[in-house]
Amino acid sequence: EVQLLEAGGDLGQPGGSLRVSCAASGFNFDNFAMVWVRQAPGKGLEWVSTISGTGGGKFYTKSVKGRFMISRDSARSAVFLQMDNLRTEDTAVYYCARADSAVTTIDYWGRGTLVTVSS
Amino acid sequence: QSALTQPASVSGSPGQSITISCTGTISDVGRFNLVAWYQHHVGKAPKLMISGVTRRPSGVSIRFSGSKSGNTASLTISGLQAEDEAYYYCCSYGGDSTWVFGGGTKLTVL
Repeated sequence: EVQLLEAGGDLGQPGGSLRVSCAASGFNFDNFAMVWVRQAPGKGLEWVSTISGTGGGKFYTKSVKGRFMISRDSARSAVFLQMDNLRTEDTAVYYCARADSAVTTIDYWGRGTLVTVSS
Repeated sequence: QSALTQPASVSGSPGQSITISCTGTISDVGRFNLVAWYQHHVGKAPKLMISGVTRRPSGVSIRFSGSKSGNTASLTISGLQAEDEAYYYCCSYGGDSTWVFGGGTKLTVL
């Protein structure tokens, strides 16, 4: 059974940094691209970032480019999102998700972790 | 990429059918036959209900079906049941490992 468990959500200050993580299990982690999706309060879902199975390909939505960095650790079957220079509009539930083998469909999700950016 | 457009809410009585629309552009919904639908009960992990416009993953009820015409995709749920009450999100592949989502539709089973 595919399981994705996020952690690290917290209260951060504008201009500050936070790091959220996702522990994956139930599948061959190295074979799948991983994705972060967020949902701001009262809003819809928003794709944030994708990292390829090898870790060599990294993609970001425009609003976080240069501030967020996605990474993965094969030994721990984990994916991370380092969030720097936080803005209040980054406040959201951050979901870790898996892309299918073709990297065209997000097929499994975690329950999310709440990041709040406020002074 | 702009978000896909979904109705904020739909409702139906048990046993009825409902359809949720999802309107995008020629750059996303219209370009790729890669529209997915997710069911989300608040506090739980979103669940994939439809992929590739019409495909149902293993274990998803046949009451759920998807279609697409031009830049608009649709999710139809037939024989509504109480447990179908949830938020539903459409999602289109946007190319280069990116995705665009709809704003979500709250389904209420009366």
